[in-house]
Amino acid sequence: DGGITQSPKYLFRKEGQNVTLSCEQNLNHDAMYWYRQDPGQGLRLIYYSQIVNDFQKGDIAEGYSVSREKKESFPLTVTSAQKNPTAFYLCASKTRGPGETQYFGPGTRLLVL
Amino acid sequence: EDKVVQSPLSLVVHEGDTVTLNCSYEVTNFRSLLWYKQEKKAPTFLFMLTSSGIEKKSGRLSSILDKKELSSILNITATQTGDSAIYLCAVEDGFGNEKLTFGTGTRLTIIP
Repeated sequence: DGGITQSPKYLFRKEGQNVTLSCEQNLNHDAMYWYRQDPGQGLRLIYYSQIVNDFQKGDIAEGYSVSREKKESFPLTVTSAQKNPTAFYLCASKTRGPGETQYFGPGTRLLVL
Repeated sequence: EDKVVQSPLSLVVHEGDTVTLNCSYEVTNFRSLLWYKQEKKAPTFLFMLTSSGIEKKSGRLSSILDKKELSSILNITATQTGDSAIYLCAVEDGFGNEKLTFGTGTRLTIIP
């Protein structure tokens, strides 16, 4: 079954803790993205990667880190420096090039205890 | 900085009504405009628009882009309760980074 998977579905973070959200795709897409969605707001870009071993900051990268060691995987770490991490996190991927659309995973909801 | 504004923010209509959702944008180097539907979790792709004046249609949904007015509309005719969702508009710039800038979305609620 082709698609994008995100895990876990729900994640609880304690104060001062780093947590890592998983995103895996088997669509052979080169580009991958991480977004954050807050109530009443649209999706805001955290980080993106157009190719393995390379990634760029999006609009709200502070307090987050990523890696792209494999084409299929783009994990996001929410560090303790992110003071307001409670949100819905969406991962997306696409084939590079004009006319190609981003496809989204089911999301991870992060809550702070 | 690229900007996308959607209106209205929320809309409540009765089943069978026709609705029009609006999206306006400011993009330095426009490549395309996309519409997504988000029900509970992952946004699902509806349309990609690149050329002005050409309507894209899928069943009861249709969309058109006006590059002169820097805007797009999404129409839904004969609405059904299954159309209840957040509709997201996004624009992609043409600088090769292939990033999307999203609007805040329109929350559409269909009352039976």
